Formats: sequence, C-alpha cells, structure tokens
Amino acid sequence: GENVEQHPSTLSVQEGDSAVIKCTYSDSASNYFPWYKQELGKRPQLIIDIRSNVGEKKDQRIAVTLNKTAKHFSLHITETQPEDSAVYFCAASMFSGGYNKLIFGAGTRLAVHP
Amino acid sequence: DAGVTQSPTHLIKTRGQQVTLRCSPKSGHDTVSWYQQALGQGPQFIFQYYEEEERQRGNFPDRFSGHQFPNYSSELNVNALLLGDSALYLCASSTHGEQFFGPGTRLTVL
Repeated sequence: GENVEQHPSTLSVQEGDSAVIKCTYSDSASNYFPWYKQELGKRPQLIIDIRSNVGEKKDQRIAVTLNKTAKHFSLHITETQPEDSAVYFCAASMFSGGYNKLIFGAGTRLAVHP
Repeated sequence: DAGVTQSPTHLIKTRGQQVTLRCSPKSGHDTVSWYQQALGQGPQFIFQYYEEEERQRGNFPDRFSGHQFPNYSSELNVNALLLGDSALYLCASSTHGEQFFGPGTRLTVL
C-alpha cells in the first residue's frame, strides 16, 4: 500500500546550523510532495512543496530536493533559528484532477538550541 | 477571510457514543478532506468530499462517515466510538492544489 517513511524522528541542532530531513515514498505514481510545519497545539502549515517535474525548489532558508528514480525527497533548512523548532511532516500525493489525498510521514521533531 | 474553521475545539465522549465534527472551508475552496492525527503521529487520511460526494477514502471503517453541504462545509460523523478513536481530527480545504488545514478538533474517548 501507499507509505511514506520519514527520518530522523528527532533532530537537535545548534542555532545557525543546517537541518536535513529525508523521506521515501512507495507509490511511484506520486507527483506532489508538500512539507508541513506543525508547532505545538497548532495546525499543520505548508512551508514548501514540489512537483515531480522539478528536481529542486528553494524559498529563502528552505529548500526541497526530489529524486524520482530513488523515490526520495528531502527538506533542507539552512541557518536554523529557534523559531524553526517544531514537528515537520513530509507528505506524498498522486495529484490528479483535484484528487489529492495526502499520505504523511510520521514526523520529525526539530529542536534548535540557541 | 477566516481560513479553515472547525468546531468544536475539544470534545469528550464515552465509548459507544456518536460524535459529529464540523468544518468550514477557506473561501473559494470546494474540496474538504478529513484526517485523523493520533498523538505523536502524522495525519492519516480519512476521506475527501467534493460536490457533496465522497471522492476518496482511506483505510477507515464504515463507522466513519461524512457529508458535504452545498456551501462546501462538511461534517465528520463517528459512530460506536472506541478508545482508539481519541485523536486530533483535522480538516483541510483545497481547490486545485495546496491543502489548508483547520485548527482541529481534539476528541477524547473515555
């Protein structure tokens, strides 16, 4: 069945360091890969997404890379700040004609220490 | 624009009871998806509604049902509640792309 594996489950970095979170998906038909940030007690919020026709996408300190052959995608956060501390979820979807069921990974708890 | 809203915020029920959760989508969105997020886990897809019909369904039993109204708002109904149904229930609205999540309803089953 459809599955998304996410690693690591926890990540602790010093402020200013980089953080990398990796995901692997099982359904080769997946073509849309969003990343959500969820702070404690809050709703998941989209921080960046990538579609299968693109290999890399950047937005300021955040970047996502996609390797369709290996069915891997990764989130890179540079120059981390304490406010980046949260749980990050990757997801995969076979997006077609509005059908966009998201399959989520189990999440990575990122702690950025001042 | 208030974004996606959900009600109630918190709910406590006992085993065997039934519950109805409500979701109002972001203005301009016609599709509502429901997810169950157990503590410490990622959201699990329950189902998606579009044009008042269930369009996709995840691996949840028939005890979980839903409805979408002409104004695109949606309800999630859960019958015969089990302890394992305790979770944060999130709805997300979309139109042709990004899903925007609501704040969720925290359901506790005792």
